[in-house]
Amino acid sequence: DIVMTQTPLSSPVTLGQPASISCRSSQSLVHSDGNTYLSWLQQRPGQPPRPLIYKISNRFSGVPDRFSGGGAGTDFTLKISRVEAEDVGVYYCTQATQYPWTFGQGTKVEIK
Amino acid sequence: QVQLQESGPGLVKPSETLSLTCTVSGGSISGYYWTWVRQPPGKGLEWIGYIYSSGSTKYNPSLRSRVTISLDTSKNQFSLKLSSVTAADTAVYYCARFVGGSGWFFDYWGQGTLVTVSS
Repeated sequence: DIVMTQTPLSSPVTLGQPASISCRSSQSLVHSDGNTYLSWLQQRPGQPPRPLIYKISNRFSGVPDRFSGGGAGTDFTLKISRVEAEDVGVYYCTQATQYPWTFGQGTKVEIK
Repeated sequence: QVQLQESGPGLVKPSETLSLTCTVSGGSISGYYWTWVRQPPGKGLEWIGYIYSSGSTKYNPSLRSRVTISLDTSKNQFSLKLSSVTAADTAVYYCARFVGGSGWFFDYWGQGTLVTVSS
C-alpha cells in the first residue's frame, strides 16, 4: 500500500496568515497514464469531507482561490494564503494512483 | 445537485453483518464509481471499496474477505455489507461518488452514519 504522511499533524495559525501542509507518499504517485492522482479534502468539525483540489493543483468549483496545491512525484503541498475562520478543520491528502486508495492521517488547522 | 444519503442500523452486534445503503438523488448512477469510506471515531479515513456503474467492484485488501458492495440501479442505491464485525469496525461510514476518466477524484459525499459494534 502507498503510505501518505502528512506534516504537521497540527497547525495553529493566526487569522489572515498563511498555512502550509505537506504530504509525502511512500511511492511515486505518477500513474502509467502520466497523470498524478493526488487530491486534497477538507473536513470541518462534524461534517463529511469536502473536495478541495484534484490532480495536485486543480481547484473544485466553489473552492476559494486562497487554496492552492502543488508538488510532484512523492512530495505535495496544500497552501492557504490567508487563513479565515471557516478554514478550521482537518485536511487530508489522498491518492488514487494505486489500489488500495489511501489517505494521509490528517492535519488539523486551528486558529491561534 | 447530487446528494447521497446513508441509511442502516446504528448498532450491530459483534460477529454479525453490518449492512448499509446509500441512496443517490439528483443524478445518474451511470458512469461513476460508487464508494464506501469509513472513519473510526477521532481517526482518519479508510477506503473500503467501490462498485462501478457496470457492476464491477474493487475492495481494499485489508477488508476484502469480509466486504460486499452491490448496486441497485432501479432504486439509485448501492449497498455495503461487512461480515463478522468486531469493535474495530466501529466508525462513521460515508458513501461517496468517485469520478473516473481523466479526473479520478471524489466529488460528492454523504453526511455519514455512525455504526457502533457492541453487544
